[in-house]
Amino acid sequence: DGGITQSPKYLFRKEGQNVTLSCEQNLNHDAMYWYRQDPGQGLRLIYYSQIVNDFQKGDIAEGYSVSREKKESFPLTVTSAQKNPTAFYLCASSQRRGGEQYFGPGTRLTVT
Amino acid sequence: GDSVTQMEGPVTLSEEAFLTINCTYTATGYPSLFWYVQYPGEGLQLLLKATKADDKGSNKGFEATYRKETTSFHLEKGSVQVSDSAVYFCALIGTNTGNQFYFGTGTSLTVIP
Repeated sequence: DGGITQSPKYLFRKEGQNVTLSCEQNLNHDAMYWYRQDPGQGLRLIYYSQIVNDFQKGDIAEGYSVSREKKESFPLTVTSAQKNPTAFYLCASSQRRGGEQYFGPGTRLTVT
Repeated sequence: GDSVTQMEGPVTLSEEAFLTINCTYTATGYPSLFWYVQYPGEGLQLLLKATKADDKGSNKGFEATYRKETTSFHLEKGSVQVSDSAVYFCALIGTNTGNQFYFGTGTSLTVIP
């Protein structure tokens, strides 16, 4: 089955720790994205990548970092510099930049 | 810049009622328009799309028509079911803004038996 997987579904961390969220796709898509979703708000773009070894900041990149060493994988690191990291994180991919996006099931991160 | 505005929720309907969720957009050029649905605790799923003016997207009984004259893409369903309870997002891909995706804030729908 083709799709996007995110792991884990729930993640708990102590304040001050970095944490990495996994995103893998087997759709052979070139572009991948990370969004943050907070209650009552829409999706906000954190980072996106159009091809391997290239990525661009989105609207709220501060306190986050990404890498794109393989086409299938686009991990997101939430660093200790992110002031309000508790949120629902969604990964998406599209065949190309500007194409319709397919979403993973999300990771709910709680930092205390 | 490009943007999407959705009607405020939450919306509560009885089973078999008619549903309309309003969506209007601001964009230069000729954007493609989408509706996504998010069930509790899950990611977003593409519900339907339209890529040019007067196109009608449809799926699972839901419909939306791309109206360029009113810059709207309202979601409708003739008879909702309890299983339609979810959050619905309107979105567009701008053609003049680097093909970036823009999402509305989402409208929560609850259908009661």
